Order: sequence, then structure tokens, then C-alpha cells
Amino acid sequence: DIQMTQSPSSVSASVGDRVTITCRASQNISSWLAWYQQKPGKAPELLIYAASRLDSGVPSRFSGSGSGTDFTLTISSLQSEDFATYYCQQGNTFPFTFGPGTKVDIK
Amino acid sequence: QVQLVESGGGVVQPGRSLRLSCAASGFTFRSYGMNWVRQAPGKGLEWVALISHNGSNQYYVDSVKGRFTISRDNSKNTLFLQMNNLRGDDTALYYCVREPYSSYTYYGMDVWGQGTTVTVSS
Repeated sequence: DIQMTQSPSSVSASVGDRVTITCRASQNISSWLAWYQQKPGKAPELLIYAASRLDSGVPSRFSGSGSGTDFTLTISSLQSEDFATYYCQQGNTFPFTFGPGTKVDIK
Repeated sequence: QVQLVESGGGVVQPGRSLRLSCAASGFTFRSYGMNWVRQAPGKGLEWVALISHNGSNQYYVDSVKGRFTISRDNSKNTLFLQMNNLRGDDTALYYCVREPYSSYTYYGMDVWGQGTTVTVSS
């Protein structure tokens, strides 16, 4: 199975900060990666697919990059509604696997 | 609007069975792959199973193979998860999730239901 790791596991940040989350796959997954945002008590929401393509309606402050095994999610200027947990997920090989999540909370 | 509504969760004893359902609306159900993804209390997301748009292919995480069966009824826009021989570590919130299919790129899981809770306990 392809293992997904994320760093950091948590980050404390302020509104307006730039936040970068890293995701690493244990094998080459090309660009078959998605990022999700989950707020407490809510279902996850798709932010980015194909490693770098923004889902419809997602603010442009979110961006994704990377291919192969190393990927990043960047929030260019953190807003109050962005405090949440973020997961990466590979869709290259079954079983699909998620990263353990990165919690972004208020400093 | 596009919507997925899960049902069928509950409290069940270890070794017993449960069948989850997911009613889809607002989109052409038969054109999409569908997943079940679960989240144990306080934990991260775990993909459970996927079924192709026409039901011809199913894929499972190893921990549920031989116990869970994913299926769909495209005439009724409904997804199912038959869960047999349930164990304590199956306790989770189970999400029904839509997935557009392409052999060229990965579109991710783009529509999620609100989930149905399964608790396995004696």
C-alpha cells in the first residue's frame, strides 16, 4: 500500500499568515493527489485535485503543487474560516490512502 | 442541488451485520464512481471501498475485504455498503462520496454526504 505522510501534524498561525503543508507519498503517484479541508463536525470538502487544480468555488488563496512523491498545499493569506484540518489523499493505486492530517489552529 | 444522504447506521454487536444506504440526487448517478470513506471518533479519514460507475468493478481496503460489500442500484440512484462480521474497529462515521472518473487525471472525491454513524459494541 502507498503510505501518505504529512508535516507538520499541526500548525498555529495568525490571520494573514502564509501556511504551507507538505505531503509525501511512499511511491511515485504522479499527480494523482487531492487535498481536503475538514472543519469540526463537518464532512470533508475537496480543495484541490490533480495535485494543483483548484476545485470549483475554492478561494484562490489556496494552491497546490508537486508531483511524484512530494506535494505541498499553500494558503497564501490565512483567513479565519481556514482554521481546520487538512488531508492529502492519493488516487493512484488501490487502496486509496489519506495522510494523517494537519490541524491548522489559531496562534 | 447535488446531494448524498446516508442512512442505516446504528449500534450493533460484534459479529453482526448492518447495511448502509446512500441516496443520491441532483446529478447523473450512473456516471460517477462512488466511495465509502470512514472516520473513527477523533481520528483521520480512511478509504473503505469504491465501486465503478456501472458497478462492474469494486475495490476495498484490506481490513474489510471478505466482510464488506459495496454495491449500487443505478435505477434508484442508491449506493449500498453491506457490512458483515462487524468488529469494534469498524466503529466510525461512514461517508458516501462521489468520485468523477478519468483515466487521465485524478479529480478527487468531490461530493460528500454528512455521514452515518456505526457503533460496534457489546
